[in-house]
Formats: sequence, C-alpha cells, structure tokens
Amino acid sequence: DARVTQTPRHKVTEMGQEVTMRCQPILGHNTVFWYRQTMMQGLELLAYFRNRAPLDDSGMPKDRFSAEMPDATLATLKIQPSEPRDSAVYFCASGLVMGGRTDTQYFGPGTRLTVL
Amino acid sequence: GDSVTQMEGPVTLSEEAFLTINCTYTATGYPSLFWYVQYPGEGLQLLLKATKADDKGSNKGFEATYRKETTSFHLEKGSVQVSDSAVYFCALSDGGSGYSTLTFGKGTMLLVSP
Repeated sequence: DARVTQTPRHKVTEMGQEVTMRCQPILGHNTVFWYRQTMMQGLELLAYFRNRAPLDDSGMPKDRFSAEMPDATLATLKIQPSEPRDSAVYFCASGLVMGGRTDTQYFGPGTRLTVL
Repeated sequence: GDSVTQMEGPVTLSEEAFLTINCTYTATGYPSLFWYVQYPGEGLQLLLKATKADDKGSNKGFEATYRKETTSFHLEKGSVQVSDSAVYFCALSDGGSGYSTLTFGKGTMLLVSP
C-alpha cells in the first residue's frame, strides 16, 4: 500500500531556528504539493512541483520559506528563520497529473510544527 | 477565481442518523469534484470523487452527485457511525488552468455520538 511519508511528525523549535521538513512522494507520481493547515486559515497551498520543477510557490512567504526537490523521491520545505506564526501542520501530497487533469492527491500524515 | 463553500460545523448527529453536508462551488471551467476526510491527527484521505456532470461518487456508504445546474456536490450517508467522526473537505480541481491544483473548502467537522 503506497503512501506519502513525512518526517519529522512533530517538531518543536525556538524562534529564529531553521526547520527542515521532508517528504517522500509515492513512487511514480509526478506532482508534489506542500500545504499548511491552521485553525484560522484552513488549508493553504504553499508550493508545488511537476517532474521536480517548481510550478508555483506564490503561497509561500518568500523571505523565509523555500521548497526544493533534490530528486524524485524527496521534497523538502525549509523555514529560516522560523517564527511563532509558522506554527501549523504542514502536509505534503503527491499525485499523478496527465493531460492537465488533476487526479487524486494523496496526503502524508503531516508535520506538526510548534515555534516557541 | 475558483472557490468552494461548505456548510459550517460542527454537525452533531446520533449514530444511525442521516447525514448531509452541503457543498457548492464556483469554477470557470469544468472541474472535477472531490470529498476528502481527515481523521484526528492524520492527513487528508480521498473519500470519493466525480469528474463530470451527473456522475455519482461513492465509497464506504457515502455518496455525492455532481450537479452542474446547481453547482453542488453534497455529501450524504444514510446511517452514520461513531467512526465517521472526522472533518470533511469538499474540493475542486483547477483543470482549466492546466496546473491541476485543488481548491478546498474550509472543512466541516462531523461528531457522531453513540
């Protein structure tokens, strides 16, 4: 049963520290999404990649967030420096997109980030 | 732009009651429609989907019909269980742009009591 995996599951850090979250998409999927979920804002799309190339990262605060896909099996989301307002659950999702049509997005279990 | 509107929760029901969670959408093209479910402490899971008008998606006793004339995709279940307690998200695909992202509603929490 193929699944999206994310590490770490929980992270507590102090303001100003660097945070790196990792995601392993389902093998064969060509699109990876990063979302942030908070009580106030709900689910927000931060960035996404197609065939490892960034398509859109307009949802991310550019000065502190960065997202990369070093290879097809790893996507990373970094926050540097972190701030208390970054506290949220960060989800990675992957999917297979063909012909411009969205197929199902498969979500990982999320990284719960707390910035003190 | 595209948007999804869901009824606000929480929806509180007794076991075996009938469930309806309303979802309406605004889209420029012909989107696919989805219902995702999120159990406590977990990520979102696809519950069901429909890709064209009049299609009915179904899974685990849940159903939703793609109604283009009313731009709706209401979720229904005939008899809910305590284990159905979760947050339910309606979503549509942004197929028109070619980027294939999902636009989510804000979610509706369902609480089922024994």
